Amino acid sequence: SQTIHQWPATLVQPVGSPLSLECTVEGTSNPNLYWYRQAAGRGLQLLFYSVGIGQISSEVPQNLSASRPQDRQFILSSKKLLLSDSGFYLCAWKGRNTIYFGEGSWLTVV
Amino acid sequence: KNQVEQSPQSLIILEGKNCTLQCNYTVSPFSNLRWYKQDTGRGPVSLTIMTFSENTKSNGRYTATLDADTKQSSLHITASQLSDSASYICVVSPQTGYALNFGKGTSLLVTP
Repeated sequence: SQTIHQWPATLVQPVGSPLSLECTVEGTSNPNLYWYRQAAGRGLQLLFYSVGIGQISSEVPQNLSASRPQDRQFILSSKKLLLSDSGFYLCAWKGRNTIYFGEGSWLTVV
Repeated sequence: KNQVEQSPQSLIILEGKNCTLQCNYTVSPFSNLRWYKQDTGRGPVSLTIMTFSENTKSNGRYTATLDADTKQSSLHITASQLSDSASYICVVSPQTGYALNFGKGTSLLVTP
């Protein structure tokens, strides 16, 4: 069966520290993968999407970056976090008939 | 401009009552439309998916309708339960490209 895993679920990081959120999928190959940020009352904002290993498209300029070192692995990173990076981050995989979301990661930058 | 608009932004109903959520979109050409339920702090979970040729689809107490001519969809919840309290998100996929167009969601609160 197809599943998507995202971690960590919650983290509190100081300003200026690095970030790494990881997402992996199972039960498929060559998936389209997405990273979203969700702010209260503002819906889902697309940050990055990837159609294959090493292929990353960025939707908005920001303090974040993404990488896809393996077919079923998608990583969201930052070298130095800002307060404005706080939020709820979702990884998603677009399958043939639906979109699968990870459980989300709550990031609080203090 | 957001190509998917949902209404109302928030809704409070009594347990046992019915409600209808709306989704209007301008995405064209259109491939499919999905409704998701998202509990606070959790990832969205799929409720229904409809292609342009489908008019209605049910999933338990959830019934989604689609009018591809007017580019409108609705999600009807019957006999609401406290566990229905969540955000409901409409997602529209175009026929080409990788973009997924999300509505901002409707926040539903079911009270005893």
